[in-house]
Amino acid sequence: GDSVTQMEGPVTLSEEAFLTINCTYTATGYPSLFWYVQYPGEGLQLLLKATKADDKGSNKGFEATYRKETTSFHLEKGSVQVSDSAVYFCALRLSGYSTLTFGKGTMLLVSP
Amino acid sequence: GAVVSQHPSWVICKSGTSVKIECRSLDFQATTMFWYRQFPKQSLMLMATSNEGSKATYEQGVEKDKFLINHASLTLSTLTVTSAHPEDSSFYICSAEPIQGPQETQYFGPGTRLLVL
Repeated sequence: GDSVTQMEGPVTLSEEAFLTINCTYTATGYPSLFWYVQYPGEGLQLLLKATKADDKGSNKGFEATYRKETTSFHLEKGSVQVSDSAVYFCALRLSGYSTLTFGKGTMLLVSP
Repeated sequence: GAVVSQHPSWVICKSGTSVKIECRSLDFQATTMFWYRQFPKQSLMLMATSNEGSKATYEQGVEKDKFLINHASLTLSTLTVTSAHPEDSSFYICSAEPIQGPQETQYFGPGTRLLVL
């Protein structure tokens, strides 16, 4: 079946460090890929998405490129801030379907 | 932005009782709402897809008689955990897909933490 695998956390970084959170997927079709972020006490928010191979999603300094050849959608940010501390979820959605398949989430902790 | 609320945010109940969780889209209409369950350090697992005015579609392994879903309007879906037991303790999250707006976008509620004693 379809699945999403994320690196386990927590990821602990100092402010202004470079961030990478790995995400790989297995899907029977051609999925759209998403990154969601969950801040403490809040619901999941869509951070960025990509709908086809080689697309790059970006938002708030975060980027992720849809790599079909490696079935990956790694999340990157050049300089993290304390306010980026949250749990990040990678997810996929098959074309024609409304349901999302999530990874387990990766907690990011950024210290001053 | 689009906001989804859940009520209550947390609930403690005795084993054998029923608990109702509400999910509301506050500033948009949604024909489709989703209910997820999340265990500690685990992914969100889809329980059911709820369409306004029709029966919910449950994922494999989810007991439809235990987790009753009602989607009576375009802004409200409810999940009732019937005869709750300690193993039902979990974090329940809903999401809603707007009728109008960006495609493939779900807006999530903040979740409801259920503890069954």
